[in-house]
Amino acid sequence: AQRVTQPEKLLSVFKGAPVELKCNYSYSGSPELFWYVQYSRQRLQLLLRHISRESIKGFTADLNKGETSFHLKKPFAQEEDSAMYYCALRSSNTGKLIFGQGTTLQVKP
Amino acid sequence: NAGVTQTPKFQVLKTGQSMTLQCAQDMNHEYMSWYRQDPGMGLRLIHYSVGAGITDQGEVPNGYNVSRSTTEDFPLRLLSAAPSQTSVYFCASSYSALAVAHEQFFGPGTRLTVL
Repeated sequence: AQRVTQPEKLLSVFKGAPVELKCNYSYSGSPELFWYVQYSRQRLQLLLRHISRESIKGFTADLNKGETSFHLKKPFAQEEDSAMYYCALRSSNTGKLIFGQGTTLQVKP
Repeated sequence: NAGVTQTPKFQVLKTGQSMTLQCAQDMNHEYMSWYRQDPGMGLRLIHYSVGAGITDQGEVPNGYNVSRSTTEDFPLRLLSAAPSQTSVYFCASSYSALAVAHEQFFGPGTRLTVL
């Protein structure tokens, strides 16, 4: 079964602290994984995708197939990073995108 | 381009009423989908479509119907609204269902309350 789990509903850190938002997945094939972000009063938008191995706004995420994880990391959190973050898994067979429960990141000044 | 548009932005229904949430995109995207967003549940896929005339069920399809008569439009119909369908509904589209790692673009959402 295709499943994405984000164990933390809320992650609260101080500005300048490191951030790690956890994501674990279950998928029988070769996974395509994404992180989406929803800032307050804005649309959900793509943050990064594992296939690009990119760093966006200081965030990175590495796919660990052994641990079936795709954790999102940033070494120094900024207040503008406060948002809801969703991890998502795309089925290569059907194309459908399944999301995790989401983690609210709160960066305090 | 307007991107993905949704109407209405807000809607209040009584139990048993029916309505259609509209979704349109002007990017010639093949793939379109509907999600509902609930606190603690994240985004759950209701229905999706890989092209005109083709639809399939997602995780939570019960109580909802969809059709895809054109590439641009993907309406979501609530047949007989129930309080459990109170939620925020998002429509999304992407270039192709099978192209690797294509981004999904989301609409602004429709906030639905069923009394």
